[in-house]
Amino acid sequence: QVQLVESGGGVVQPGGSLRLSCAASGFTFSSYGMHWVRQAPGKGLEWVAFIRRDGSDKYYADSVKGRFTISRDNSENTLYLQMNSLRVDDTAVFHCARSVSGDWNPLYRYFDSCGQGTLVTVSS
Amino acid sequence: EIVLAQSPGTLSLSPGERATLSCRASQSVGSSYLAWYQQRLGQAPRLLISGASNRAPGIPDRFSGRGSGTEFTLTISRLEPEDFAVYYCQQYGSSAITFGQGTRLEIK
Repeated sequence: QVQLVESGGGVVQPGGSLRLSCAASGFTFSSYGMHWVRQAPGKGLEWVAFIRRDGSDKYYADSVKGRFTISRDNSENTLYLQMNSLRVDDTAVFHCARSVSGDWNPLYRYFDSCGQGTLVTVSS
Repeated sequence: EIVLAQSPGTLSLSPGERATLSCRASQSVGSSYLAWYQQRLGQAPRLLISGASNRAPGIPDRFSGRGSGTEFTLTISRLEPEDFAVYYCQQYGSSAITFGQGTRLEIK
């Protein structure tokens, strides 16, 4: 079955950087686009970024554009999120999620599997 | 960006009752690019419905979705104990994917 396991979260000071990883298994990772979605403590879901199955196209929420970079290594079945210039309001659980298709087709931009997430706390 | 407003914020019902959750978009969600997710406490979101009305594999038929344009509804016909959770709608037709703020379904 599909498994997505995030890691790399922790406590970081404002302005700092962190790199999250998501290890995927149970499916052909290179066939699927992948999302990052976050959830601030006690709050709702917020879409963060998407990467095409081959890594050639990337899309970001305005709130993270220019600060976060999504990437993937299909040989290692791993998704990444490099987060720079972190702010207090970036504090959240970050989930990786599998898109239902490999590209940015609007018909299929939702996700059908989601990991448990890793907590990022930005605090001085 | 398309803003999704879910109502009510909290819905208190008993097992066996019918639940109706609403999601209203600030502008038309083209071609019903709308999904519903369930999130139980401490768990990851789970896809219930896509394309406004298509149940995801393995989702019981007591869950149904309908709507188009700016008005969407998720209905749970007879509540089971495991259905008490938070429900989110999501639009994915625009390049800025957005979620509603959620409806908490609690046991009365």
